[in-house]
Amino acid sequence: LAKTTQPISMDSYEGQEVNITCSHNNIATNDYITWYQQFPSQGPRFIIQGYKTKVTNEVASLFIPADRKSSTLSLPRVSLSDTAVYYCLVGLNSGGYQKVTFGIGTKLQVIP
Amino acid sequence: GAVVSQHPSRVICKSGTSVKIECRSLDFQATTMFWYRQFPKQSLMLMATSNEGSKATYEQGVEKDKFLINHASLTLSTLTVTSAHPEDSSFYICSALGVGGQYNSPLHFGNGTRLTVT
Repeated sequence: LAKTTQPISMDSYEGQEVNITCSHNNIATNDYITWYQQFPSQGPRFIIQGYKTKVTNEVASLFIPADRKSSTLSLPRVSLSDTAVYYCLVGLNSGGYQKVTFGIGTKLQVIP
Repeated sequence: GAVVSQHPSRVICKSGTSVKIECRSLDFQATTMFWYRQFPKQSLMLMATSNEGSKATYEQGVEKDKFLINHASLTLSTLTVTSAHPEDSSFYICSALGVGGQYNSPLHFGNGTRLTVT
């Protein structure tokens, strides 16, 4: 089961781009990398998923180098509402479904 | 998008009583559902994995007789905390994986249930 390492916390001013990097040195060939966002007293919300290179959607970009041992979530122009905990997950292909465990996550604090 | 509904959102019960939490996939069928527990300022901890029509698989250290999981249909899984004690007070979250979902399919999470045992 691939373990992930992220910074515990980050601060950013409104309007800035935020990059959160996650290390996953033991990622398996079939594992995808998925990022979730969690607000207090809510369930996690899917942000973005990727396997290699770069993935972009309407809320974020995900950069994955060729060795896939790390990934970087990029949030463009953050606002106060982006204050949350961000989790990087690397799944285990087990029995046909992805069993995932959560690391500690990165608490992002956006400052006005 | 896929919606997972959890009920109740919060519950307060007395020590020694049992509490049932429901997790429903509203617009898709879920062959697999996961149950997590989250203590304040901590990450989500996987408790068990349930597959429709079969017994749940519990993570190490989770008492299966205390946390009863039933996944009787493709849209409903329930977690029953039996003989609850104050140390069971926590935030319980379910997630679901759809039928035919690829191994890399993102999970869809419920909004959690805040359990307080007095």
